[in-house]
Amino acid sequence: DVKVTQSSRYLVKRTGEKVFLECVQDMDHENMFWYRQDPGLGLRLIYFSYDVKMKEKGDIPEGYSVSREKKERFSLILESASTNQTSMYLCASSLRVGREYNEQFFGPGTRLTVL
Amino acid sequence: GDSVTQMEGPVTLSEEAFLTINCTYTATGYPSLFWYVQYPGEGLQLLLKATKADDKGSNKGFEATYRKETTSFHLEKGSVQVSDSAVYFCALTSNSGNTPLVFGKGTRLSVIA
Repeated sequence: DVKVTQSSRYLVKRTGEKVFLECVQDMDHENMFWYRQDPGLGLRLIYFSYDVKMKEKGDIPEGYSVSREKKERFSLILESASTNQTSMYLCASSLRVGREYNEQFFGPGTRLTVL
Repeated sequence: GDSVTQMEGPVTLSEEAFLTINCTYTATGYPSLFWYVQYPGEGLQLLLKATKADDKGSNKGFEATYRKETTSFHLEKGSVQVSDSAVYFCALTSNSGNTPLVFGKGTRLSVIA
């Protein structure tokens, strides 16, 4: 079974702090993704990566950065956390099949609160 | 750009009722279509998918048919159970490969005994 793990289920940070959210997958998937989930807005893509050291902006990259130094690990970084970044953050991974993106497997999510 | 529109919830049904959650899409080319489910406190998991027109995806009693003529992928189940209470997301991937998955906003289903 594919397993995607996220470093924390719940996280509370203060405004202006630097925040790291870690995601690890154990099935050698090429693609990894970070989404945020908000009531009434569904899932919105922040960043994704289709290879080590590669990254692509999603729909809402502002205020975030990412790092992919190893294939199995994809980190989301909030350089200076703000209250409007309070949200549920979901990581996902998938195999890459040609130019099509295959089924995505999700981690359990990190609920981040910024005070 | 590509988009997915699904019916707003919440939807509340009695056990054994028939379920339909509507989903329509806008996309260039020939997208693949998915339904994901999120149970309370968990991440999303794939429920079913269809990759070409007229394909029917099915799993756990749920079904959805890829209708290109109406650009729809409605989710149905003949008899819901309390354990089906969750949030359901319709999604697509465009074969252009530019955006991995585009999600609808989700529909919360509550099934009462």
